Amino acid sequence: EAQVTQNPRYLITVTGKKLTVTCSQNMNHEYMSWYRQDPGLGLRQIYYSMNVEVTDKGDVPEGYKVSRKEKRNFPLILESPSPNQTSLYFCASTILGIGELFFGEGSRLTVL
Amino acid sequence: KQEVTQIPAALSVPEGENLVLNCSFTDSAIYNLQWFRQDPGKGLTSLLLIQSSQREQTSGRLNASLDKSSGRSTLYIAASQPGDSATYLCAVSRTGANSKLTFGKGITLSVRP
Repeated sequence: EAQVTQNPRYLITVTGKKLTVTCSQNMNHEYMSWYRQDPGLGLRQIYYSMNVEVTDKGDVPEGYKVSRKEKRNFPLILESPSPNQTSLYFCASTILGIGELFFGEGSRLTVL
Repeated sequence: KQEVTQIPAALSVPEGENLVLNCSFTDSAIYNLQWFRQDPGKGLTSLLLIQSSQREQTSGRLNASLDKSSGRSTLYIAASQPGDSATYLCAVSRTGANSKLTFGKGITLSVRP
């Protein structure tokens, strides 16, 4: 089954404690992206990647890092989480040329 | 900078009604436009994708149109059902592809039995 898998789905952490949200897709997609969704602000792009070792900033990259060492994986790293990073995070993937976008189920992160 | 607007933010209709959801964007140099559905607490599911060279796409009771020159897209839902209740988002990608998508904030639809 074609899918984008995110882990963890729910996480409560404390300010400053490094964490990683993993994202994996099984569709051999070149393009992968991370979004955060906040009430009243909608979906905003954090980072995206067009292929292995190729990443670029989205609209709200501050406080986040990503890496793309393998085609199927695109982890999101919060080196020193802060409360303003409390949000619902989505990973998505598609073919190169941005076709139909496939989303993961989301990861709800709370930073205390 | 591309801006995508969806108005109204919420809509409530009786079951069986045909309805139109609107999406407007400020920069007509788009690569494609997608409509998504999001159920509470869930990820987004792609409903329809319209390439910039196309005028419309259809899937079942859904029909999406695109007018690049006026910066508008509409999602038409025929014979609405309670199961259609969800948030509907549109998103546009820039010309040149392989780049950022800009999302609207969505329209929360409630279909009353």
